[in-house]
Amino acid sequence: DGGITQSPKYLFRKEGQNVTLSCEQNLNHDAMYWYRQDPGQGLRLIYYSQIVNDFQKGDIAEGYSVSREKKESFPLTVTSAQKNPTAFYLCASSPRLGGALYNEQFFGPGTRLTVL
Amino acid sequence: GQNIDQPTEMTATEGAIVQINCTYQTSGFNGLFWYQQHAGEAPTFLSYNVLDGLEEKGRFSSFLSRSKGYSYLLLKELQMKDSASYLCAVTLPREAAGNKLTFGGGTRVLVKP
Repeated sequence: DGGITQSPKYLFRKEGQNVTLSCEQNLNHDAMYWYRQDPGQGLRLIYYSQIVNDFQKGDIAEGYSVSREKKESFPLTVTSAQKNPTAFYLCASSPRLGGALYNEQFFGPGTRLTVL
Repeated sequence: GQNIDQPTEMTATEGAIVQINCTYQTSGFNGLFWYQQHAGEAPTFLSYNVLDGLEEKGRFSSFLSRSKGYSYLLLKELQMKDSASYLCAVTLPREAAGNKLTFGGGTRVLVKP
C-alpha cells in the first residue's frame, strides 16, 4: 500500500529532552512537509523540503530541526529550545508540481507529542 | 502577511445543508483547498478551486470568488459522519511559495440527529 507513515502515534517525553518524530512515504513524492496543530486550531507549517538534501523554514521553525537525506524520509526533531512542544504533529508529502494544475498534499496519521 | 478566516464552530441537523465560509487576505493567490479532518486523524482532500465559480462533487460543493477573497464549502444532506473539522487552505503563486499551503483555523461542524 502506498502512503505516509508516522510513528509512534503517541509520544511522551520529559521537559528538556530532544525527541525525533519519524515520517516515511513510499509515494515517490519529491516534497515533504511538517505541520503542528494545537487543539481547536488549524495547521501551521514548521519546515518543508522540495528535494533531497534541501529544506526551508516554515512559519514556526524555532526550536525544531529536520533532515532530508533520503527522498522517502523527513524526520523532525523537537529540541529542548521549543517552548511549548506539546501538540499534534502532521507530516505531509506532495508530488512535484510540474505541469499539474494543483498540488494536493497527502497527510500521515500524525504523532501526538506530550511533554511532561 | 497571510490572513485566512473561518468560523470556529457550526452546528446543523442530519439531512440539512451547511455552508462554511472562508475569507482570505494574502500576498498573492494561486488556489484554495478544502480539507476534512476527523478528530485526531489526518486531513483528507475535499476540493481545489482556482477559477471563480462552483465545483460540485457529490454532496460537497466548493465556491470561489477571487475578486472578493472568498470561498465557501457547501455540505448537503448532512450525515452524522460529516461531523469533523473543515480546513480552508490557500496556495500562493508557485514561484513565490514553493507549493506551500497556508491554513485557516478550521471550522468544527457538529451534526446532530
